[in-house]
Amino acid sequence: QKEVEQNSGPLSVPEGAIASLNCTYSDRGSQSFFWYRQYSGKSPELIMSIYSNGDKEDGRFTAQLNKASQYVSLLIRDSQPSDSATYLCAVDRLTGTASKLTFGTGTRLQVTL
Amino acid sequence: DAGITQSPRHKVTETGTPVTLRCHQTENHRYMYWYRQDPGHGLRLIHYSYGVKDTDKGEVSDGYSVSRSKTEDFLLTLESATSSQTSVYFCATKLQGGTEAFFGQGTRLTVV
Repeated sequence: QKEVEQNSGPLSVPEGAIASLNCTYSDRGSQSFFWYRQYSGKSPELIMSIYSNGDKEDGRFTAQLNKASQYVSLLIRDSQPSDSATYLCAVDRLTGTASKLTFGTGTRLQVTL
Repeated sequence: DAGITQSPRHKVTETGTPVTLRCHQTENHRYMYWYRQDPGHGLRLIHYSYGVKDTDKGEVSDGYSVSRSKTEDFLLTLESATSSQTSVYFCATKLQGGTEAFFGQGTRLTVV
């Protein structure tokens, strides 16, 4: 079982629609959760971080965390063509002073005109 | 932008030769990571460091070794490169556990 699992997609949504991206993780000791966006040929960049159960909103982005279900999601409202990218879910586990940051395989999002 | 520099940016090497990739940071971040990225696999953790001389293995560490003799540098070594190690390698750093990680520009390595 992979530590962090995502549907690879592609997920295709029309411009203006809501895109919903999902992620599950296997390590119940994980404490911090992140969504990164990666454009083709570029480095990943942080979109959202979430640390406690519930929703966290930032502009058009909402991250949702459910630790009991080991589930993290990202909603993108009013999707734009510029949102077309690969979205990577990341999970951070602290053990003593070590911090292990593990990524999923990523979901490719295509926003169509 | 975080001051993270990977070198070289591109490299072609022959099977069986040793290769060292360098990650240099000017942020005084404690944590550093090496990942490889291949189509369909996302970012896979190779090795990570939580301080000078403190390192641990990730999920795909076979065939790789690392060293961190000072805070700013994290070296990834392929002792004897194989074609399966052809990939894009990313370095990432972060200040402390649970915080945002910043990425270098990536190194494209081709083993022929």
